[in-house]
Amino acid sequence: GAVVSQHPSWVICKSGTSVKIECRSLDFQATTMFWYRQFPKQSLMLMATSNEGSKATYEQGVEKDKFLINHASLTLSTLTVTSAHPEDSSFYICSARKPGTRLVETQYFGPGTRLLVL
Amino acid sequence: GQQLNQSPQSMFIQEGEDVSMNCTSSSIFNTWLWYKQDPGEGPVLLIALYKAGELTSNGRLTAQFGITRKDSFLNISASIPSDVGIYFCAGKVNSGGYQKVTFGTGTKLQVIP
Repeated sequence: GAVVSQHPSWVICKSGTSVKIECRSLDFQATTMFWYRQFPKQSLMLMATSNEGSKATYEQGVEKDKFLINHASLTLSTLTVTSAHPEDSSFYICSARKPGTRLVETQYFGPGTRLLVL
Repeated sequence: GQQLNQSPQSMFIQEGEDVSMNCTSSSIFNTWLWYKQDPGEGPVLLIALYKAGELTSNGRLTAQFGITRKDSFLNISASIPSDVGIYFCAGKVNSGGYQKVTFGTGTKLQVIP
């Protein structure tokens, strides 16, 4: 297997502040990382695909100016929720793709970050 | 966009019973994946299926890639309390040069000791 970590595991912030979430691949280099959002009792919704050294690709309906993604190195991607509001409260999960054959599933998930905006 | 419908949404079973859940889609996928998610954690991959008709086992878990490539099922035999969690199916398809994963709606499993 492979290990992906997220930091922080949970965060509470005031409305209007910005929050940065880190996703790290600990034992492999990941050229591609993904950011998902999960509301209570719901499925994971892909927000964006983060490629090292280039701009992230956002899914339809996800505001790129609201959710800033930076993938500055092969082991770190960050998601910044800017000017957070209560409706941004959610469970944010990242995943990292371990290089290998495209035919084999190589995506590993982090433990998630729970964000609560007051 | 693509939608994956999972059923049942939730189930309560007695320890030792077998469990079956399935996932259906309106469109074709190249790969089917089954994940388990514990509360407050990220999903963990259980089984990956790469060919239509493929039947794959991982311990007490067995999953199949439907012939039509629009469905998949997961069976858990002789359930134990630690099987409790939410099971997600996911389909993967090539999209714009990279592979995009769509998750199902999830099946919440409760095991009664």
